[in-house]
Amino acid sequence: VPLLQSGGGLVQPGGSLRLSCVASGFTFGSYAMSWVRQAPGEGLEWVSAISARGDSIYYADSVQGRFTISRDNSKNALFLQMNRLRVEDTAVYYCAKAPDISYFDSWGQGTLVTVSS
Amino acid sequence: IVLTQSPATLSLSPGERATLSCRASQNVNNYLTWYQQKPGQTPRLLIYDASNRATGIPGRFSGSGSGTDFTLTISSLESEDFAVYYCQQRNNWPLTFGGGTKVEIK
Repeated sequence: VPLLQSGGGLVQPGGSLRLSCVASGFTFGSYAMSWVRQAPGEGLEWVSAISARGDSIYYADSVQGRFTISRDNSKNALFLQMNRLRVEDTAVYYCAKAPDISYFDSWGQGTLVTVSS
Repeated sequence: IVLTQSPATLSLSPGERATLSCRASQNVNNYLTWYQQKPGQTPRLLIYDASNRATGIPGRFSGSGSGTDFTLTISSLESEDFAVYYCQQRNNWPLTFGGGTKVEIK
């Protein structure tokens, strides 16, 4: 189930980035989606989730108030707007398809976000 | 909810049985998921709701447990099973992952 990600890169602390994830091969609008990140050499950390219709949204405490998840079902696209980035946000970010909103059966290829001055 | 996985590293030979533990800091009912991640690859769903194998997962993988104590068992290790395994709870927001168990070749 392809999930094609884009939008990562190098940004200074305090800066912003927008990640995108475009889905194909399934009915995107029928599934919840999430973002999960993995700092270099570390484990997995859930970041944010959005329901199939976008009417329920959840965030990890570490990103609440700085990150915004959204989706455009007409374009089969998921987004993560990341503002006020911190060094500790440096990670590979994965989008993930959720058969139930809270676990993940398919993952994007990942995109590296590096926050550094 | 904090998930504690043990051991951190498991050194075994192909053909041996692997038993991985995941302990939750509070009751997560049966809402416990297991993933496998190989170096340079994305995570792969193995087990959901404690004991249900995901589509395409071989029968040598099994999950058990409820409440706070869970186990992932690999009955006979194949070469492709050497990887890092993560548990994840979905009983409460925020979703949380364990720190992982690395299964390495002895």
